[in-house]
Amino acid sequence: DTEVTQTPKHLVMGMTNKKSLKCEQHMGHRAMYWYKQKAKKPPELMFVYSYEKLSINESVPSRFSPECPNSSLLNLHLHALQPEDSALYLCASSLAGTSYEQYFGPGTRLTVT
Amino acid sequence: SQQGEEDPQALSIQEGENATMNCSYKTSINNLQWYRQNSGRGLVHLILIRSNEREKHSGRLRVTLDTSKKSSSLLITASRAADTASYFCATGRFGNEKLTFGTGTRLTIIP
Repeated sequence: DTEVTQTPKHLVMGMTNKKSLKCEQHMGHRAMYWYKQKAKKPPELMFVYSYEKLSINESVPSRFSPECPNSSLLNLHLHALQPEDSALYLCASSLAGTSYEQYFGPGTRLTVT
Repeated sequence: SQQGEEDPQALSIQEGENATMNCSYKTSINNLQWYRQNSGRGLVHLILIRSNEREKHSGRLRVTLDTSKKSSSLLITASRAADTASYFCATGRFGNEKLTFGTGTRLTIIP
């Protein structure tokens, strides 16, 4: 199984809402990633978890809170977002330890109103 | 920013022609990877070339890497309509999992 799944596919939320994005993989990968992608731009790395520990935080605002409950799951908790946070949020996974090929999920299209 | 640059930004060719896109980067690397993204969807890994390799092939794909010039190229031969997508290079460094993506090339294959 080489699939990374993400839920939901689409999410519309108000600036005062709290929501969560979910990501799951069963490839035995011990590195998992959150990216943000705006239209016609490359993915921007937000967070990296390696062996269930947060190893990279690319200076992401605290209104984004990642969580890695176990080696297969990755969550991104959202609170008090701004309209400029509207984007495609991509989850990925890979072997851990160095820059191996990454497997991406289909993404969650987030709209903040 | 450490982001790589790709050129051209956009490329339109007739089906059956070859497509070449280029990537330049700024720092020393462990490997360079190419990904494809169909509109609004997740990225798909195409090929990885290590810093000690100069050329690699996979099906209709040919990748070259010149570490002295900090550049790479992706050649897609005998293009098909299904190759229409955005293509991103991504560089990886030693010691951590982070990839730095280039700006991307939007490829359109005209049937």
